[in-house]
Amino acid sequence: EIVLTQSPGTLSLSPGERATLSCRASQSFSTSQLAWYQQKPGQAPRLLIYGASSRATGIPDRFSGSGSGTDFTLTISRLEPEDSAVYYCQQYGTSPPTWTFGQGTKVEIK
Amino acid sequence: EVQLLESGGDLVKPGGSLRLSCAASGFTFSNYAMSWVRQAPGKGLEWVSFISGSGGTTYYADSVKGRFTISRDNSKNTLSLQMNSLRAEDTAVYYCAKLMKKDFWYGYNYFESWGQGALVTVSS
Repeated sequence: EIVLTQSPGTLSLSPGERATLSCRASQSFSTSQLAWYQQKPGQAPRLLIYGASSRATGIPDRFSGSGSGTDFTLTISRLEPEDSAVYYCQQYGTSPPTWTFGQGTKVEIK
Repeated sequence: EVQLLESGGDLVKPGGSLRLSCAASGFTFSNYAMSWVRQAPGKGLEWVSFISGSGGTTYYADSVKGRFTISRDNSKNTLSLQMNSLRAEDTAVYYCAKLMKKDFWYGYNYFESWGQGALVTVSS
């Protein structure tokens, strides 16, 4: 089973700054199997990025994903106050089919 | 607009049973695989179970295998999760989620839309 480790645990930045979130896997897998979600307090998660770099419908272009192998990154280019949330990476495996989430990175806007 | 509405969450004693439902609307339900994902209080997300669009393929997390059963009624646009032999560690908000494709082997196995969740508390 692949383990996803996200860092940092918490990121505290000002509006307009750039946020870089990391997701590191215990073993390599295809970029087509990696997604990022945003969860605000009291709300359900929302799909941001799938296939490591494709934005989901309606997601602003300040959100971007990159990476391959075992190292993946979510970048928020210009933080806005509404970006305050916990961000999760997620991978799915095929043998057997399973889904794994990282433990999350909390982004705080100063 | 895709809408997913969970119901059935409750307080149940250890060893008890509970059935969650998810009413889907705004899309052709039978064309999409569905899953349940849970979140324990103050914790991260944990995938629980998957079912294909036809209902013919199901997968479970090891933590619930043999205790939980996922099913769907495509004539009623409803997804269900039967939970038996409940334990304290099953306490969580349970989300139903729509995937991008009809079955696992089509790829794009991401949770594209989510309901607002149903709280299940297992405590004596």
